[in-house]
Amino acid sequence: QKEVEQDPGPLSVPEGAIVSLNCTYSNSAFQYFMWYRQYSRKGPELLMYTYSSGNKEDGRFTAQVDKSSKYISLFIRDSQPSDSATYLCAMSGGYQKVTFGTGTKLQVIP
Amino acid sequence: DTAVSQTPKYLVTQMGNDKSIKCEQNLGHDTMYWYKQDSKKFLKIMFSYNNKELIINETVPNRFSPKSPDKAHLNLHINSLELGDSAVYFCASSQEVTSGPSDTQYFGPGTRLTVL
Repeated sequence: QKEVEQDPGPLSVPEGAIVSLNCTYSNSAFQYFMWYRQYSRKGPELLMYTYSSGNKEDGRFTAQVDKSSKYISLFIRDSQPSDSATYLCAMSGGYQKVTFGTGTKLQVIP
Repeated sequence: DTAVSQTPKYLVTQMGNDKSIKCEQNLGHDTMYWYKQDSKKFLKIMFSYNNKELIINETVPNRFSPKSPDKAHLNLHINSLELGDSAVYFCASSQEVTSGPSDTQYFGPGTRLTVL
């Protein structure tokens, strides 16, 4: 079993829809949870960073962590065509080593 | 004023050749990384250096040798290239050794390596 599981998609939604992206993990040592966005032929860029269980909001983006279920989510409200990218969840238990999910490819259709 | 830069952007070479990829960061970070992203977009860490010292060395063939001349540079040399080495290689940097808010990793644009 992989340490981090993420549905690769692709996920196609109409513009304006609410998008839900999810990851599950098996390593209880993970304490830090991140979401990266990667546009085609570009490097990943950090979108959201959370430490504790609960919700964190930043504009149209909300990151949710449920440590008891080992489940994290990223919600995108009012999705835009510019949100079309691959979204990678990432987790760390400390000392730099970050484990990434395989990424979910999202397409927002105008 | 690119934060993390890599050269070359594309690299096409024959099996058996030796090649190098260079990475430079101007963020003043202490830690640099090399990642490999395969065709299925799976991003896997290969190496991590902190202040020129090797911190993480994942299960990577010893044909891959990172070199850090100073904390702003981390180069990747690959000997005897194989077909399976074809992938996108990303360099990244972060500020601190331990995880926390300052552990955010900033990625370069990637080097697309194709081995024929």
